[in-house]
Amino acid sequence: DAGVTQSPTHLIKTRGQQVTLRCSPKSGHDTVSWYQQALGQGPQFIFQYYEEEERQRGNFPDRFSGHQFPNYSSELNVNALLLGDSALYLCASSLDHYEQYFGPGTRLTVT
Amino acid sequence: GQQLNQSPQSMFIQEGEDVSMNCTSSSIFNTWLWYKQDPGEGPVLLIALYKAGELTSNGRLTAQFGITRKDSFLNISASIPSDVGIYFCAGQLNSGYSTLTFGKGTMLLVSP
Repeated sequence: DAGVTQSPTHLIKTRGQQVTLRCSPKSGHDTVSWYQQALGQGPQFIFQYYEEEERQRGNFPDRFSGHQFPNYSSELNVNALLLGDSALYLCASSLDHYEQYFGPGTRLTVT
Repeated sequence: GQQLNQSPQSMFIQEGEDVSMNCTSSSIFNTWLWYKQDPGEGPVLLIALYKAGELTSNGRLTAQFGITRKDSFLNISASIPSDVGIYFCAGQLNSGYSTLTFGKGTMLLVSP
Protein backbone atom coordinates (compact mmCIF):
# COMPACT_ATOMS: atom_id res chain seq x y z
CA ASP A 1 0.00 0.00 0.00
CA ALA A 2 1.73 3.16 -1.21
CA GLY A 3 1.82 6.08 1.13
CA VAL A 4 1.67 9.73 0.19
CA THR A 5 4.03 10.55 -2.67
CA GLN A 6 5.29 13.95 -3.78
CA SER A 7 7.24 15.19 -6.77
CA PRO A 8 9.73 16.55 -7.41
CA THR A 9 11.98 15.89 -4.42
CA HIS A 10 14.01 19.05 -4.87
CA LEU A 11 13.55 22.14 -6.99
CA ILE A 12 15.55 25.31 -7.58
CA LYS A 13 13.81 28.34 -9.05
CA THR A 14 14.60 32.01 -9.61
CA ARG A 15 12.69 34.92 -8.10
CA GLY A 16 9.62 35.80 -10.15
CA GLN A 17 9.22 32.34 -11.64
CA GLN A 18 6.30 30.00 -11.15
CA VAL A 19 6.39 26.48 -9.72
CA THR A 20 4.05 23.48 -9.60
CA LEU A 21 4.35 20.75 -6.98
CA ARG A 22 2.48 17.45 -7.14
CA CYS A 23 1.02 15.07 -4.58
CA SER A 24 -0.61 11.65 -4.76
CA PRO A 25 -2.58 10.73 -1.63
CA LYS A 26 -2.48 7.48 0.28
CA SER A 27 -4.78 4.85 -1.17
CA GLY A 28 -8.34 5.33 0.06
CA HIS A 29 -7.85 8.95 1.12
CA ASP A 30 -9.97 11.72 -0.41
CA THR A 31 -8.64 14.88 1.25
CA VAL A 32 -5.34 16.61 0.55
CA SER A 33 -3.79 19.37 2.65
CA TRP A 34 -0.69 21.40 1.84
CA TYR A 35 1.75 22.82 4.38
CA GLN A 36 4.83 25.02 4.18
CA GLN A 37 7.68 24.27 6.59
CA ALA A 38 10.42 26.86 6.91
CA LEU A 39 13.75 25.82 8.38
CA GLY A 40 13.52 25.33 12.13
CA GLN A 41 9.74 25.77 12.21
CA GLY A 42 6.69 23.58 12.36
CA PRO A 43 4.54 23.13 9.24
CA GLN A 44 2.15 25.99 8.43
CA PHE A 45 -1.21 25.19 6.82
CA ILE A 46 -1.67 26.56 3.28
CA PHE A 47 -4.98 25.04 2.12
CA GLN A 48 -7.03 21.87 1.96
CA TYR A 49 -8.83 20.22 -0.95
CA TYR A 50 -11.83 17.93 -0.77
CA GLU A 51 -14.07 16.83 -3.64
CA GLU A 52 -11.95 18.93 -6.03
CA GLU A 53 -12.66 22.16 -4.16
CA GLU A 54 -10.65 24.28 -1.76
CA ARG A 55 -12.35 23.66 1.57
CA GLN A 56 -10.23 25.75 3.88
CA ARG A 57 -7.33 28.16 3.48
CA GLY A 58 -4.61 29.38 5.79
CA ASN A 59 -2.98 32.80 5.89
CA PHE A 60 -1.19 32.64 2.53
CA PRO A 61 -1.42 35.12 -0.37
CA ASP A 62 -3.26 34.46 -3.61
CA ARG A 63 0.07 33.64 -5.25
CA PHE A 64 -0.48 30.22 -3.71
CA SER A 65 -3.14 28.23 -5.53
CA GLY A 66 -4.03 24.61 -5.92
CA HIS A 67 -6.09 22.01 -7.61
CA GLN A 68 -7.45 18.56 -6.86
CA PHE A 69 -8.13 16.06 -9.62
CA PRO A 70 -10.89 13.41 -9.79
CA ASN A 71 -8.37 10.74 -8.70
CA TYR A 72 -7.77 12.85 -5.53
CA SER A 73 -4.21 13.82 -6.50
CA SER A 74 -3.37 17.47 -6.07
CA GLU A 75 -1.12 20.26 -7.27
CA LEU A 76 0.23 23.31 -5.49
CA ASN A 77 1.12 26.29 -7.66
CA VAL A 78 3.11 29.29 -6.52
CA ASN A 79 3.40 32.35 -8.79
CA ALA A 80 5.88 35.23 -8.69
CA LEU A 81 8.26 33.38 -6.39
CA LEU A 82 9.96 35.28 -3.58
CA LEU A 83 13.11 34.36 -1.69
CA GLY A 84 10.92 33.80 1.37
CA ASP A 85 9.04 31.03 -0.42
CA SER A 86 12.08 28.77 0.03
CA ALA A 87 10.89 25.95 2.25
CA LEU A 88 9.90 22.31 2.49
CA TYR A 89 6.39 21.88 1.05
CA LEU A 90 4.49 19.02 2.60
CA CYS A 91 1.40 17.30 1.34
CA ALA A 92 -0.80 15.37 3.76
CA SER A 93 -3.72 13.12 2.92
CA SER A 94 -6.61 11.91 5.03
CA LEU A 95 -10.01 10.32 4.77
CA ASP A 96 -12.13 13.44 5.26
CA HIS A 97 -11.33 14.88 8.71
CA TYR A 98 -9.45 11.93 10.17
CA GLU A 99 -5.71 11.58 10.85
CA GLN A 100 -3.40 13.18 8.29
CA TYR A 101 -0.47 11.28 6.83
CA PHE A 102 2.39 13.26 5.33
CA GLY A 103 4.49 12.74 2.27
CA PRO A 104 8.28 13.23 2.19
CA GLY A 105 7.96 16.80 0.95
CA THR A 106 9.41 18.89 -1.86
CA ARG A 107 12.37 21.10 -0.99
CA LEU A 108 11.99 24.40 -2.90
CA THR A 109 14.91 26.79 -3.10
CA VAL A 110 14.35 30.25 -4.60
CA THR A 111 17.47 32.15 -5.64
CA GLY B 1 0.42 32.04 11.61
CA GLN B 2 -0.47 30.60 14.98
CA GLN B 3 1.87 28.02 16.47
CA LEU B 4 1.65 26.01 19.63
CA ASN B 5 4.21 26.45 22.42
CA GLN B 6 6.39 23.38 22.63
CA SER B 7 9.05 22.68 25.25
CA PRO B 8 11.80 21.98 25.66
CA GLN B 9 13.23 23.27 22.38
CA SER B 10 15.88 20.54 22.43
CA MET B 11 17.06 17.68 24.62
CA PHE B 12 20.31 15.72 24.75
CA ILE B 13 20.02 12.51 26.75
CA GLN B 14 21.74 9.19 27.33
CA GLU B 15 20.38 5.99 25.84
CA GLY B 16 17.99 4.31 28.27
CA GLU B 17 16.74 7.53 29.86
CA ASP B 18 13.09 8.55 29.85
CA VAL B 19 12.01 11.73 28.04
CA SER B 20 9.13 14.14 28.62
CA MET B 21 8.00 16.99 26.40
CA ASN B 22 4.88 19.11 26.34
CA CYS B 23 2.81 21.41 24.23
CA THR B 24 0.53 24.27 25.29
CA SER B 25 -1.95 26.51 23.53
CA SER B 26 -4.07 29.54 24.30
CA SER B 27 -6.89 27.90 22.34
CA ILE B 28 -8.88 24.75 22.95
CA PHE B 29 -8.33 21.84 20.59
CA ASN B 30 -10.60 18.86 19.99
CA THR B 31 -7.77 16.60 18.85
CA TRP B 32 -4.08 16.47 19.70
CA LEU B 33 -1.52 14.61 17.59
CA TRP B 34 2.16 13.90 17.95
CA TYR B 35 4.46 13.51 14.94
CA LYS B 36 8.16 12.65 14.53
CA GLN B 37 10.20 14.08 11.69
CA ASP B 38 13.58 12.80 10.56
CA PRO B 39 15.92 15.03 8.51
CA GLY B 40 14.77 15.43 4.91
CA GLU B 41 11.53 13.54 5.47
CA GLY B 42 7.91 14.32 6.22
CA PRO B 43 6.36 14.03 9.70
CA VAL B 44 5.25 10.55 10.75
CA LEU B 45 2.16 10.20 12.95
CA LEU B 46 2.96 8.66 16.34
CA ILE B 47 -0.14 9.10 18.48
CA ALA B 48 -3.58 10.70 18.09
CA LEU B 49 -5.70 11.82 21.09
CA TYR B 50 -9.43 12.57 20.85
CA LYS B 51 -10.79 13.11 24.36
CA ALA B 52 -9.77 15.40 27.20
CA GLY B 53 -7.90 13.37 29.82
CA GLU B 54 -7.18 10.54 27.38
CA LEU B 55 -3.93 8.64 27.89
CA THR B 56 -2.71 6.63 24.89
CA SER B 57 0.37 4.47 24.36
CA ASN B 58 2.23 3.32 21.28
CA GLY B 59 5.07 1.03 22.34
CA ARG B 60 7.49 3.06 24.44
CA LEU B 61 5.57 6.27 23.71
CA THR B 62 2.76 7.57 25.91
CA ALA B 63 0.79 10.75 25.27
CA GLN B 64 -1.93 12.52 27.21
CA PHE B 65 -4.65 14.98 26.19
CA GLY B 66 -4.80 17.66 28.88
CA ILE B 67 -8.06 18.09 30.80
CA THR B 68 -8.23 21.79 29.91
CA ARG B 69 -7.92 20.84 26.20
CA LYS B 70 -5.14 23.40 25.95
CA ASP B 71 -2.17 21.10 26.43
CA SER B 72 -0.70 17.70 25.70
CA PHE B 73 2.28 15.68 26.88
CA LEU B 74 4.48 13.05 25.26
CA ASN B 75 6.70 10.66 27.18
CA ILE B 76 9.28 8.28 25.72
CA SER B 77 10.56 5.53 27.98
CA ALA B 78 13.95 3.81 27.75
CA SER B 79 15.16 5.92 24.82
CA ILE B 80 17.22 4.35 22.04
CA PRO B 81 19.39 5.97 19.34
CA SER B 82 16.68 5.68 16.67
CA ASP B 83 14.46 7.99 18.76
CA VAL B 84 16.62 10.86 17.49
CA GLY B 85 14.57 13.38 15.52
CA ILE B 86 12.24 16.33 15.88
CA TYR B 87 8.95 15.75 17.68
CA PHE B 88 6.00 17.98 16.79
CA CYS B 89 2.70 18.39 18.52
CA ALA B 90 -0.31 19.42 16.46
CA GLY B 91 -3.80 20.50 17.40
CA GLN B 92 -6.99 20.19 15.41
CA LEU B 93 -9.38 23.01 16.23
CA ASN B 94 -12.68 21.89 14.68
CA SER B 95 -13.81 18.30 14.34
CA GLY B 96 -15.28 19.03 10.92
CA TYR B 97 -12.00 20.11 9.39
CA SER B 98 -8.65 18.40 9.61
CA THR B 99 -6.38 21.44 9.35
CA LEU B 100 -3.58 21.20 11.87
CA THR B 101 -1.77 23.83 13.93
CA PHE B 102 1.79 22.77 14.78
CA GLY B 103 4.32 23.58 17.46
CA LYS B 104 7.91 24.49 16.61
CA GLY B 105 9.14 21.06 17.62
CA THR B 106 11.42 19.47 20.20
CA MET B 107 14.73 18.18 18.87
CA LEU B 108 15.79 14.99 20.63
CA LEU B 109 19.37 13.75 20.57
CA VAL B 110 20.26 10.40 22.16
CA SER B 111 23.80 9.47 23.05
CA PRO B 112 24.62 5.72 22.84
